[in-house]
Amino acid sequence: DAGITQSPRYKITETGRQVTLMCHQTWSHSYMFWYRQDLGHGLRLIYYSAAADITDKGEVPDGYVVSRSKTENFPLTLESATRSQTSVYFCASASDTGQPQHFGDGTRLSIL
Amino acid sequence: TQLLEQSPQFLSIQEGENLTVYCNSSSVFSSLQWYRQEPGEGPVLLVTVVTGGEVKKLKRLTFQFGDARKDSSLHITAAQPGDTGLYLCAGARAGGTSYGKLTFGQGTILTVHP
Repeated sequence: DAGITQSPRYKITETGRQVTLMCHQTWSHSYMFWYRQDLGHGLRLIYYSAAADITDKGEVPDGYVVSRSKTENFPLTLESATRSQTSVYFCASASDTGQPQHFGDGTRLSIL
Repeated sequence: TQLLEQSPQFLSIQEGENLTVYCNSSSVFSSLQWYRQEPGEGPVLLVTVVTGGEVKKLKRLTFQFGDARKDSSLHITAAQPGDTGLYLCAGARAGGTSYGKLTFGQGTILTVHP
């Protein structure tokens, strides 16, 4: 079925470890986005991509790395996880206009 | 700096009551979107408003975009327990490096009691 899927759904790791969150969409959407959701902050944009091999920083990019070698995939890597990065992470995709955005079901990440 | 102020943050009401959620900014947006999110799921788009003064209705939900395109409201008539969830507003800026990016409000957690 067409859609946007995130994996894993849940992840527990330790500070200092590298962790990668995966996002895959089957619509061939140009735009893809990574957000983090924390109580009281709504959704904050980490990185986004307008097309394959084009990425740009959002509001809170520090500590995160992204890549987009293929249109359908947009992985997010925490190179050295910190407790402040404990959050729920959402990936989204959108067509050429950038809107509306279609969200995955999220990855709940806990860093101990 | 939070560019979109959403209020109230929490709303607990009885079935059948009416409610309004507000989304305010000092910035002008080219469009504003409202999303609804249920536990364990991602936000789902409810509506997009584009024109200043625009009003859109979705069954018992009425969405309005301010004349100056800086604010928006969501009104629910005769709320039902199925309306329970997190409501998010999100504004889109026009053109330049902002193209495609959304700024989200903090969200309103709505609980409707039977």
